[in-house]
Amino acid sequence: AQKITQTQPGMFVQEKEAVTLDCTYDTSDPSYGLFWYKQPSSGEMIFLIYQGSYDQQNATEGRYSLNFQKARKSANLVISASQLGDSAMYFCAMRPSTTGANSKLTFGKGITLSVRP
Amino acid sequence: NAGVMQNPRHLVRRRGQEARLRCSPMKGHSHVYWYRQLPEEGLKFMVYLQKENIIDESGMPKERFSAEFPKEGPSILRIQQVVRGDSAAYFCASSPLDRGGLNTEAFFGQGTRLTVV
Repeated sequence: AQKITQTQPGMFVQEKEAVTLDCTYDTSDPSYGLFWYKQPSSGEMIFLIYQGSYDQQNATEGRYSLNFQKARKSANLVISASQLGDSAMYFCAMRPSTTGANSKLTFGKGITLSVRP
Repeated sequence: NAGVMQNPRHLVRRRGQEARLRCSPMKGHSHVYWYRQLPEEGLKFMVYLQKENIIDESGMPKERFSAEFPKEGPSILRIQQVVRGDSAAYFCASSPLDRGGLNTEAFFGQGTRLTVV
């Protein structure tokens, strides 16, 4: 079974500063993928970034980067130069990466981020 | 290329009525996943379907819920005799044919918000 833990309370960050959103996970799968999604108040789920468990480098996508520490089973999201539009719920998720396997995602409970002007 | 289309966006049903939620996957995607999001919670997997086949329904409640993905047409999540506890956001995601499960994020629809009154 897979488990994602997001325990931070609501996070606040000043506009233009960087913020780290924590995510720890647990799995017995030898190969897996880690995802971050953003859910603004309008409700849609927006894919942000992906990290494969065997990727040698941490993933980056624009202002988003993933601080992947496999031994610690953590996959923290770093948002640089925060913008007001970054205010949203952020979900960490994972799934196994075995060929042909069910690719269902397991989600954490999410973290609320508020960006202050 | 249209994204994952869900309709309706909002659905209000009285207790005891039936709710039908529709999901059209992205063009070329043959895998559909349904997730439920209760208020203040992350998304929880419900069911995974391929065309004309239910692959994994381990997250579906045992009664009143059913899903299908016919050869032609959208995937349907059906909830019979709805109760207040069914009020939630229901998301559909689609993905292309799994090629090892690597680096293939699931594309989410905008969700259907079901309210049972």
